[in-house]
Amino acid sequence: DAKTTQPPSMDCAEGRAANLPCNHSTISGNEYVYWYRQIHSQGPQYIIHGLKNNETNEMASLIITEDRKSSTLILPHATLRDTAVYYCIVRPYTGANSKLTFGKGITLSVRP
Amino acid sequence: NAGVTQTPKFQVLKTGQSMTLQCAQDMNHNSMYWYRQDPGMGLRLIYYSASEGTTDKGEVPNGYNVSRLNKREFSLRLESAAPSQTSVYFCASRIAGQRNEQFFGPGTRLTVL
Repeated sequence: DAKTTQPPSMDCAEGRAANLPCNHSTISGNEYVYWYRQIHSQGPQYIIHGLKNNETNEMASLIITEDRKSSTLILPHATLRDTAVYYCIVRPYTGANSKLTFGKGITLSVRP
Repeated sequence: NAGVTQTPKFQVLKTGQSMTLQCAQDMNHNSMYWYRQDPGMGLRLIYYSASEGTTDKGEVPNGYNVSRLNKREFSLRLESAAPSQTSVYFCASRIAGQRNEQFFGPGTRLTVL
């Protein structure tokens, strides 16, 4: 699996957009970018994934650069409940052995 | 749907004791996984099962065994617990298809003295 690099932490004000960066300069052509988050000791939760086009769902938006070497997860209106560790993961799309490799992630702190 | 359930939630063992962590999912998923998470670290894959009747080693399998009892259940066994196995253990199951998403259980917090 390609590796990812994330800053260790960031914070943002409640109600503002949170932009979480991720570098994945060695990503392969068949690998997708996945984002998960882990809220205080709970099991990780899927947020979004994409290949090369920007993606949006009810939780977040994912912006992937044209060269696919980096991406940004956007939480458009952060709330206190979004305080969590966010993991950026790259992996092939399919296959049961398409395992998730978790790094340390980025800790997002949303302040009132 | 209960999703992914794990038992027990907490467990304290003495070095050398054995125990089995239980995991069950009611989403009819084929693939199931066991991860461990040490303080301040990301999750590491211990074992996975692509389908009923098959299991494969992950990143850190030493000291563990697994059983895929049926499609719903995937258990993790520590035959002789060691303090280095003190961790939080997460089970997950995977939906195939468009999202290829893994669903995680609430975790088991294990302390080995």
